[in-house]
Amino acid sequence: QVQLQESGPGLVKPSETLSLTCTVSGGSMNTYYWSWIRQPPGGGLEWIGYIYSSGSTNYNPSLKSRVTMSVDTSKNHFSLTLSSVTAADTAMYYCASGRGHESGDNVFAYWGQGTPVTVSS
Amino acid sequence: DIQLTQSPSFLSASVGDRVTITCRASQGISSYLAWYQQKPGKAPQVLIYAASTLQSGVPSRFSGSGSGTEFTLRISSLQPEDFATYYCQQFGTYPITFGQGTRLEIK
Repeated sequence: QVQLQESGPGLVKPSETLSLTCTVSGGSMNTYYWSWIRQPPGGGLEWIGYIYSSGSTNYNPSLKSRVTMSVDTSKNHFSLTLSSVTAADTAMYYCASGRGHESGDNVFAYWGQGTPVTVSS
Repeated sequence: DIQLTQSPSFLSASVGDRVTITCRASQGISSYLAWYQQKPGKAPQVLIYAASTLQSGVPSRFSGSGSGTEFTLRISSLQPEDFATYYCQQFGTYPITFGQGTRLEIK
């Protein structure tokens, strides 16, 4: 059973860069798509983007100018950086994937538990 | 972006009730729609995908229907563990988008 686990600082200062890592266990990352999704307090879900195991990416245009994703399949993890953060970036950040789901990797059958990030000075 | 609008946003119901949640897409998405359940403090869990296919392990009281722009999630007989927030998600066009959520509470 594939498991995902987010890690990273829980507090980031305004204008700085948020950096998170998702570690994948229980299966290979190869040939699958891996996404980041966030949820502000009391709010809904926002897809941030995905990275394929080869390193190709697709970002949500609403965040594209500030988002970078990377992957290291040898270490079984992928990462998110979000630059120039503001209070509006305060959210629970999830990594997720369908990882071979019959409807594709964008049906998110696997989720991390989430990591809360607060943007505050 | 494809906008997904769920109705209602809030629903109060009793154990044993049958409930229906609707998700409308701003443009046609064929059957590229999934439904998720989220409980407080937990990550969402997929219930339905491809509009009407039940995810493995999900109770059969959950069902989905629809295609194009209008979709429905039905719960045939509410159980105490079903009180949660439900989201629809389209995965046919990038960016992937979610509905705003429907909070289902115990009456």
